[in-house]
Amino acid sequence: KQEVTQIPAALSVPEGENLVLNCSFTDSAIYNLQWFRQDPGKGLTSLLLIQSSQREQTSGRLNASLDKSSGRSTLYIAASQPGDSATYLCAVLTDSWGKLQFGAGTQVVVTP
Amino acid sequence: DTGVSQDPRHKITKRGQNVTFRCDPISEHNRLYWYRQTLGQGPEFLTYFQNEAQLEKSRLLSDRFSAERPKGSFSTLEIQRTEQGDSAMYLCASSPPSGGIEAFFGQGTRLTVV
Repeated sequence: KQEVTQIPAALSVPEGENLVLNCSFTDSAIYNLQWFRQDPGKGLTSLLLIQSSQREQTSGRLNASLDKSSGRSTLYIAASQPGDSATYLCAVLTDSWGKLQFGAGTQVVVTP
Repeated sequence: DTGVSQDPRHKITKRGQNVTFRCDPISEHNRLYWYRQTLGQGPEFLTYFQNEAQLEKSRLLSDRFSAERPKGSFSTLEIQRTEQGDSAMYLCASSPPSGGIEAFFGQGTRLTVV
């Protein structure tokens, strides 16, 4: 059974620091991995999608890496801003039809 | 707005009442999913539709839960005889028929059972 873990559960950094968020999964047989952002009481916003054949994806200040063999993904957010405060969730796709298995998320607070 | 739309955003109901939620996916997406999220946890899969066919249901989806997607467009999720344990955020997502199966989520429906 696939299990997805995100450590740490919470993180607080001063504005301007780089953020490093970790995601690990137990079964390397994944189709893709997706990172999401969730604001309190809101839905999920897709940040980055990494296909199983890719090693990383970049979008603006965000960069996500994927190491399938070790079951790890890392989301880097450069030069953090208070507006980056949110919960970040990673999810792996283990079926061809699209069922996602989520981690519990990392709650990030960026202080001015 | 061309994103996934969910209605209502919030629902408060008394224990034992029935509730129904609606999800309108992105128009060209044939795959539709329902997830449930409780406080401090990641979303958990409930059910999946490809067009109008319900192809997968989680064991989390008890007999009190039913989902439909009658014409392969919008979907409804009904909970009968609600219990306090049903209180959660119910999220709908959709994906296109091809490509990387990227999931796009709606804003969710927050259910509170009192």
